[in-house]
Amino acid sequence: QLQLQESGPGLIKPSETLSLTCSVTGDSASDYWWAWVRQPPGMGLEWIGTVYHIGITQYNPSLQSRLTLSVDTSKNHLSLKLTSVTAADTAIYYCVKNRHLFQGSGWHYFFDLWGQGTLVTVSS
Amino acid sequence: ENVLTQSPGTLSLSPGERATLTCRSSHSFSSSYFAWYQQRPGQAPRLLIYGASTRATGTPDRFTGSVSGTSGTEFTLTISELEPEDSGLYYCQQSDRSPVMYNFGQGTRLEIK
Repeated sequence: QLQLQESGPGLIKPSETLSLTCSVTGDSASDYWWAWVRQPPGMGLEWIGTVYHIGITQYNPSLQSRLTLSVDTSKNHLSLKLTSVTAADTAIYYCVKNRHLFQGSGWHYFFDLWGQGTLVTVSS
Repeated sequence: ENVLTQSPGTLSLSPGERATLTCRSSHSFSSSYFAWYQQRPGQAPRLLIYGASTRATGTPDRFTGSVSGTSGTEFTLTISELEPEDSGLYYCQQSDRSPVMYNFGQGTRLEIK
């Protein structure tokens, strides 16, 4: 059974670089597209970006200049790096399986498996 | 950027009643790029519906997604025979493909009293 587990620093200072890891178990990370989605406390969901193991990345334009997503197939995990963080980056960060499905007459794109999330707080 | 607006903001209903949640898009797009999610308190979101009307694995048939109106910009999630476990936040989501972007609505809170 495919499972996702995020890990990260919990607390990080403004201007530092946030590094998160998502461990993929139960299947190969190279078999799927992956995404990161975040949720500020008490607020809604924001797509951060999507990554495929051969180096294809799709980033939210609002974060693109600070963001790097990657897949390490040797460790079967995903990575997120976000530079120059501010308090606005405080959120629960979810690792998500980004399904690309051809069904019927066309393609479908959605998020069909979510990790439990890891809370990241940016504060001095 | 495509803006998704969900209504109502909060919905309070009793067990056994029917809930109707709406998501309106600022731009038209293919309904195959539309999905609904449920987020119970303290949990991660989970996929309910994709392609506007296809139930995800494990989604009860009490949950029905549809496209309403003729403009292709209004989507509805209907939950029949409400149960206490249906309480939570519901988010709509759509995908733009050129360039790639995933947008979420702001959410509807469903309270089962």
